[in-house]
Amino acid sequence: EPEVTQTPSHQVTQMGQEVILRCVPISNHLYFYWYRQILGQKVEFLVSFYNNEISEKSEIFDDQFSVERPDGSNFTLKIRSTKLEDSAMYFCASSETPNGVGEQYFGPGTRLTVT
Amino acid sequence: AQSVTQPDIHITVSEGASLELRCNYSYGATPYLFWYVQSPGQGLQLLLKYFSGDTLVQGIKGFEAEFKRSQSSFNLRKPSVHWSDAAEYFCAVGVDSSYKLIFGSGTRLLVRP
Repeated sequence: EPEVTQTPSHQVTQMGQEVILRCVPISNHLYFYWYRQILGQKVEFLVSFYNNEISEKSEIFDDQFSVERPDGSNFTLKIRSTKLEDSAMYFCASSETPNGVGEQYFGPGTRLTVT
Repeated sequence: AQSVTQPDIHITVSEGASLELRCNYSYGATPYLFWYVQSPGQGLQLLLKYFSGDTLVQGIKGFEAEFKRSQSSFNLRKPSVHWSDAAEYFCAVGVDSSYKLIFGSGTRLLVRP
């Protein structure tokens, strides 16, 4: 069964450093998403991406965040200058059709720890 | 704005007992409803979804959920819980006008032997 994969599984970085979280969505999916889950809290939407542009973003997704699909398979989330409060589990998801019609398949997550 | 409420933070049931996890949503029209499960250290796995039609939906692992429009609810049920069902369960809502899923705060299920 096709699945979404994410690398690395755990990333430790120092405050102020840039990090790139990588995802490989399911191959025939066209819609891509990033969510985050701060420890003990609910899963929160960050951004959705379709046709090489952001289709929707949340208030959390400020200028320090960016997303990119650098090639035909990868989808990345970049955090330019990490803060302590960016420590969370970051989930990538993909869907064949837009939300509301297509279900989103989630990857296993990348745990980001900012020290 | 849409919201999802899962009123139970923790639920403990005995193995073999029945289970019902509650989910209420706030949205003016009929949303798209999902239940996801998250085992410790794992990602989110879709258990079942409701888009339209029959209000009782069947999912994987023996789970089912019933959409009740009058109560704005989408409760998850299982007739006989197994120890491997211990996990965190998230209800989520999607709407036509948005790409995002809105998650509830989750219910942690503990299973007594």
